[in-house]
Amino acid sequence: EVQLVESGGGLVQPGGSLRLSCAASGFTFSNYWMYWVRQAPGKGLVWVSRIDSDGSSTHDADSVKGRFTTSRDNTKNTLYLQMNSLRVEDTALYYCARSRVVGGYDALDIWGQGTMVTVSS
Amino acid sequence: ENVLTQSPGTLSLSPGERATLSCRASQSVSSSYLAWYQQKPGQAPRLLIYGASSRATGIPDRVSGSGSGTDFTLTISRLEPEDFGVYYCHQYGSPPRTFGQGTKLEIK
Repeated sequence: EVQLVESGGGLVQPGGSLRLSCAASGFTFSNYWMYWVRQAPGKGLVWVSRIDSDGSSTHDADSVKGRFTTSRDNTKNTLYLQMNSLRVEDTALYYCARSRVVGGYDALDIWGQGTMVTVSS
Repeated sequence: ENVLTQSPGTLSLSPGERATLSCRASQSVSSSYLAWYQQKPGQAPRLLIYGASSRATGIPDRVSGSGSGTDFTLTISRLEPEDFGVYYCHQYGSPPRTFGQGTKLEIK
């Protein structure tokens, strides 16, 4: 079964750090671009970041640039999101998602169940 | 940034009726790189349509997408009770990827 499972969310104080993980299974992880998308409580979807299949290129939303870093370990079939200097407005459910086509830029066809990040003092 | 505006905000329809959801982009969407997702409460989004009009795996043919340029439409021809939820359009033709604010489809 093709699956993505996020972990690592929790409660953190403003200015703190957190690292999210997304474990992939059921497909050749190293072939696909991967994404992080977040959703604040009761709100819509917001793209956070993208990483290409070998991890050589990343692209971040302006709202997280310089604070968040996306990486991957293709030997462990795992995607990461390192979040530093967290702000209250980063509070959201964070989803990892897969690009629909191999090695390409496309819609997101597989999503994890999400991991909740709450930034509060 | 290509801003996507969805309408209506909420749609209340009965099973068997036809639903028409709109997504308008502030700039032309490259190569019709426009997708639609359904999200139910407590669940992750589910891909319905990609490339403006291609159905994703397992999506029934009563769900269809159309449009190009800046105007796109998702149509569900005969509503089933499981079609309730929030629908988002999403453009992936030019960075940053953007999503519409969503249309809530309520089943009467």
